[in-house]
Amino acid sequence: GENVEQHPSTLSVQEGDSAVIKCTYSDSASNYFPWYKQELGKGPQLIIDIRSNVGEKKDQRIAVTLNKTAKHFSLHITETQPEDSAVYFCAAVYLYNFNKFYFGSGTKLNVKP
Amino acid sequence: NAGVTQTPKFRVLKTGQSMTLLCAQDMNHEYMYWYRQDPGMGLRLIHYSVGEGTTAKGEVPDGYNVSRLKKQNFLLGLESAAPSQTSVYFCASGEGTEQFFGPGTRLTVL
Repeated sequence: GENVEQHPSTLSVQEGDSAVIKCTYSDSASNYFPWYKQELGKGPQLIIDIRSNVGEKKDQRIAVTLNKTAKHFSLHITETQPEDSAVYFCAAVYLYNFNKFYFGSGTKLNVKP
Repeated sequence: NAGVTQTPKFRVLKTGQSMTLLCAQDMNHEYMYWYRQDPGMGLRLIHYSVGEGTTAKGEVPDGYNVSRLKKQNFLLGLESAAPSQTSVYFCASGEGTEQFFGPGTRLTVL
């Protein structure tokens, strides 16, 4: 099955700085890569995603990049704010296989005011 | 719309006891999933369902059973709880690429 590795496990940045979280995957058949944000005591929520036919996608302060050849993808958050503090999960999915998600182990982001 | 709801929110069991976790969704989604979340391990898929009356095993199905008798409900059962099943359990539903998660159930097995 798919194996997703995520780094770092914790990340502490100053408000206004950028944050980068990286993931690698093993199955070249994976074709969809979402990122979820989990706030304390809540379920994960989708923040951005990218399909395998796209190299980069941006939505305001967040962006995701994908390198299919190297099998890695990254989440970039610019101008971080305290409300960005949460746990972030990447996932790799082979659409058309019942959309089973394989999640990374998570990154706890702490944005210091 | 309530989205995805889970009951109960918290539960403490003794080893060997049984219980059922209930997940309900009001978005008419075909697909539903049960995950467990453990520190440092992310979310791991236990079982999933692609429609009413169907169930299938995920990555970590041992010790759990599921049923999807109605489209809007997905039940997760523990027949004989073990301390290794102490975890936070999340239910999700989806139809398309996004999965919508419930608020979770924190289960402790003593």
